[in-house]
Amino acid sequence: EPEVTQTPSHQVTQMGQEVILRCVPISNHLYFYWYRQILGQKVEFLVSFYNNEISEKSEIFDDQFSVERPDGSNFTLKIRSTKLEDSAMYFCASSDEGQKYFGPGTRLTVT
Amino acid sequence: AQSVTQLGSHVSVSEGALVLLRCNYSSSVPPYLFWYVQYPNQGLQLLLKYTSAATLVKGINGFEAEFKKSETSFHLTKPSAHMSDAAEYFCAVSRSGGGADGLTFGKGTHLIIQP
Repeated sequence: EPEVTQTPSHQVTQMGQEVILRCVPISNHLYFYWYRQILGQKVEFLVSFYNNEISEKSEIFDDQFSVERPDGSNFTLKIRSTKLEDSAMYFCASSDEGQKYFGPGTRLTVT
Repeated sequence: AQSVTQLGSHVSVSEGALVLLRCNYSSSVPPYLFWYVQYPNQGLQLLLKYTSAATLVKGINGFEAEFKKSETSFHLTKPSAHMSDAAEYFCAVSRSGGGADGLTFGKGTHLIIQP
């Protein structure tokens, strides 16, 4: 069964550094998403992406965040200058017109 | 605006007993409702979804949920718990069943199965 993959599984970075989280969505899907889950809290929507542009974004998704689909297969989330509070599990998801499929997540630790 | 409340961060049941995980929602538009399961070190997997058709929705692994508009609830049940059901369960709401709309999740309920 096709699946969404994410790399790396765990990323440790220092405060103020840039990080790029990578995702490979399911190949025929059109919609792409990023969610995050701070430890002990709920899963939160960050952004959705369709037709090479952002469709919807939450209040969390400020100017420090950006998304890109640099080629036909990858979907990336960039955090320009990480803060301690960016430490979380980041989930990528993709969908066609229906069910969203989630990746296993990248655990980002900012020190 | 939409929100989801899951009652009970941890629920413990005996193997073979009824599983009941509670979810209440708030939505200004007719909601689409979902239950996801997360096993350790894995992504979120869709268990079932309500998309305004039948109010009783059957999902994978023997789970089902009933949409009750009057109670704004979408509780998840399974008649007989199995050890393999131990996982984190998330209820979620969306404005639509697909497309670009984001999901709003509850905090999750950790289901523990006692042997």
